[in-house]
Amino acid sequence: GQQVMQIPQYQHVQEGEDFTTYCNSSTTLSNIQWYKQRPGGHPVFLIQLVKSGEVKKQKRLTFQFGEAKKNSSLHITATQTTDVGTYFCALMEYGNKLVFGAGTILRVKS
Amino acid sequence: DVKVTQSSRYLVKRTGEKVFLECVQDMDHENMFWYRQDPGLGLRLIYFSYDVKMKEKGDIPEGYSVSREKKERFSLILESASTNQTSMYLCASRASRNQPQHFGDGTRLSIL
Repeated sequence: GQQVMQIPQYQHVQEGEDFTTYCNSSTTLSNIQWYKQRPGGHPVFLIQLVKSGEVKKQKRLTFQFGEAKKNSSLHITATQTTDVGTYFCALMEYGNKLVFGAGTILRVKS
Repeated sequence: DVKVTQSSRYLVKRTGEKVFLECVQDMDHENMFWYRQDPGLGLRLIYFSYDVKMKEKGDIPEGYSVSREKKERFSLILESASTNQTSMYLCASRASRNQPQHFGDGTRLSIL
């Protein structure tokens, strides 16, 4: 099956600093989804990227799909304490399965 | 809003017991999934189902089985629970391929 690597595994930032998590695949992707899981909660869908080079924004969150459709990133500008949680990328594997990255845990110091 | 309901938030069972985890969704979704989540390993797919009475193995099906007799309900069965099955179990559903997955709140299962 497809391999997905997500880095970093963990990041601790000062409130107001920026944060980025990266997702890399060994193969070209049809699309990629991003999810956020708050501590004690369940994963919640954030966005789906489909087109090569696509950039989408949700307030302070910027999502990017690489030109070769093999990587993606999620960038948060000026983190807030409400941003804490684990961010997962998920790739659609051949067939019907989503393959999730291991996730990046974000902690924000106020 | 999509609602995915898992029958228990916390569950404690003993080794060797047969354990049933239930999941119900209220949006007439075709696809349903069972994952387990362990620290540092992300979400690993156990089984999924495209439709009623259909099931497919995921990445870690050993020691588990599933049942989907009705469209809205997807059950995960631990045939003979073992301590290495202590984990958080998450159920999810989606309308179709390329649609978002909607997750339940999870069941934290402890096998003693």
